[in-house]
Order: sequence, then structure tokens, then C-alpha cells
Amino acid sequence: QKEVEQDPGPLSVPEGAIVSLNCTYSNSAFQYFMWYRQYSRKGPELLMYTYSSGNKEDGRFTAQVDKSSKYISLFIRDSQPSDSATYLCAMSAIGGTSYGKLTFGQGTILTVHP
Amino acid sequence: DAGVIQSPRHEVTEMGQEVTLRCKPISGHDYLFWYRQTMMRGLELLIYFNNNVPIDDSGMPEDRFSAKMPNASFSTLKIQPSEPRDSAVYFCASRGGASDTQYFGPGTRLTVL
Repeated sequence: QKEVEQDPGPLSVPEGAIVSLNCTYSNSAFQYFMWYRQYSRKGPELLMYTYSSGNKEDGRFTAQVDKSSKYISLFIRDSQPSDSATYLCAMSAIGGTSYGKLTFGQGTILTVHP
Repeated sequence: DAGVIQSPRHEVTEMGQEVTLRCKPISGHDYLFWYRQTMMRGLELLIYFNNNVPIDDSGMPEDRFSAKMPNASFSTLKIQPSEPRDSAVYFCASRGGASDTQYFGPGTRLTVL
């Protein structure tokens, strides 16, 4: 079983829809949670990060972490065609021998059509 | 800042040939990571360095793969001999200071025929 599970999709939604992307994890040591966005033929770029349970908002994006359930989500409101990309969740432990090491989910391919 | 720089951007080679991928991290960053991305396996960490020293190479698939970081501004990932199953996009990323954010390069798309 992988440490981080993410539904690869693909996910296709109409413009303006609310998108929900999810990951589950099994390693209790993970304390740092990130979402990366990767456009076609580009490297991943950091979209949001959080260290704590609860919600964190940044414009149309909300990252949600539930450590008790080992579940994280990314919500995109009023989705736009420019949001079409692959979204990867990533997480790491803080300190210890795994410090600095990110574990990524498989990535979810999102298409927002006009 | 130019960001993480990788070369070449595309590499096509024949099975058995040696392949060398290059990376220049962001200036001042003290961590450097090499990843491989495929459709089947997603993004996998191969090896990472801290202050030019390899810290964790447990993701390196086999002895055909080797990585070096001779100085703070340059790293190489070498595959010798290459095999068709090595075909993938290889990313380099760097991180610096107190930030946990990794910044990725544009990747090298490797095709081994």
C-alpha cells in the first residue's frame, strides 16, 4: 500500500464549478501538507501548504487537513479553464531521518471546460 | 532569479548508452532533490542532497543510476547503461533556508529506444 493515495481521475468539470480533490495517507509522522499544480510539460509548482488541521484559504483555493482521519482536500471555487492541470498532494514529516523528504500522491488530472 | 535549471530538456538515446542529466539549483538553496515521473508510478524521489552530501538514496532504482553534487551549484544524475524502462521525465528540485517549499525545474524528458 502506498503511503499517499490520490485518485488520478481524470476529472472534467464545467467552468464555474466547485472542484474537490482529495488524498489519504497512512504515515502518522506526516505534519506538513502541500498541494502542487503541474501544467502539461512543466515542473510542479507549489500552490498551497499547511502544517495544521483545519482550513486554509487563498483566493479561490481552500486546503483542508483532517489529521485524525489522515485525509486532505483541495477545493477550487469558481473553477476556470486556466485551472486545467494535474494537482499533486505532497506531504512530509518534520524533523527526524525523513526531514526534507516529500511523498507525493499520484496526481489528479483536472480539465475545466468553458 | 532564474529558478532551477535543467539540461537537456529532451534526450533520446539508445538502450545501453550512458545518459547524463544536469541540474543547477536556485542560488543559496542547500537541498537538492532528483525525482522521476511516469504515468504508472507518478512522481518518485530518487535521491536528495543537503549541502552537497547525499542524505537518502533509497529511491535510486538500481546500480545503473548514480548522482553527484560536486558543488553547491551543480548536480548530475547518470544512468549507465540506459534501458527502455528508464524512459520518464526527470525533475530536479531545490529548497533553501527555513522554507520547506521545493522549487522544481522544467524537467528532462528521457526516451530510451
